[in-house]
Amino acid sequence: GAGVSQSPSNKVTEKGKDVELRCDPISGHTALYWYRQSLGQGLEFLIYFQGNSAPDKSGLPSDRFSAERTGGSVSTLTIQRTQQEDSAVYLCASSLGVGGEAFFGQGTRLTVV
Amino acid sequence: SQQGEEDPQALSIQEGENATMNCSYKTSINNLQWYRQNSGRGLVHLILIRSNEREKHSGRLRVTLDTSKKSSSLLITASRAADTASYFCATVPGYSSASKIIFGSGTRLSIRP
Repeated sequence: GAGVSQSPSNKVTEKGKDVELRCDPISGHTALYWYRQSLGQGLEFLIYFQGNSAPDKSGLPSDRFSAERTGGSVSTLTIQRTQQEDSAVYLCASSLGVGGEAFFGQGTRLTVV
Repeated sequence: SQQGEEDPQALSIQEGENATMNCSYKTSINNLQWYRQNSGRGLVHLILIRSNEREKHSGRLRVTLDTSKKSSSLLITASRAADTASYFCATVPGYSSASKIIFGSGTRLSIRP
């Protein structure tokens, strides 16, 4: 695709349920990043991938959060047993190489009720 | 953890005036980037400046970098209503570009007509 695509754009889930957020990066981009942004706040780094490997997953808030990337392309961020504090916009970005200009998707707004 | 801190947190100026935003960071960097965010969703890359560069221009944007002070500034000249947005600095820490991109807390810029 022409840009980074994230799905769903909005997700409302009940506390305790698992959710999966998907990111389709720009074709050929080797680096992929996940961030979380609460209302009016900055971007909180979660994890980044270089190819299918995750050299830095230090930002994942707890073991309820996991992410994978397959085929050097699509990535999925999974949150298990969601809590209300997980409510935020989850942003994905990709870049041609790690640490270069990043292109962002429009995000997934997650609301845990 | 946040690497960059923007100053001011919010800025309101008259259309046509210049807007200056500052960013300070804590560790050595490979490069520093500025992004714009409208309406709390996807970010748009504005400019990237490498650690061995001191100044860079792109249209009405001018970015400076002072690695000795660990600070950068973004100047938007002749501001327009469309420049109203949040602006974030982001750093790639370390000496290699192969690292995560860490965002600051952002400056909310409002342009008054």
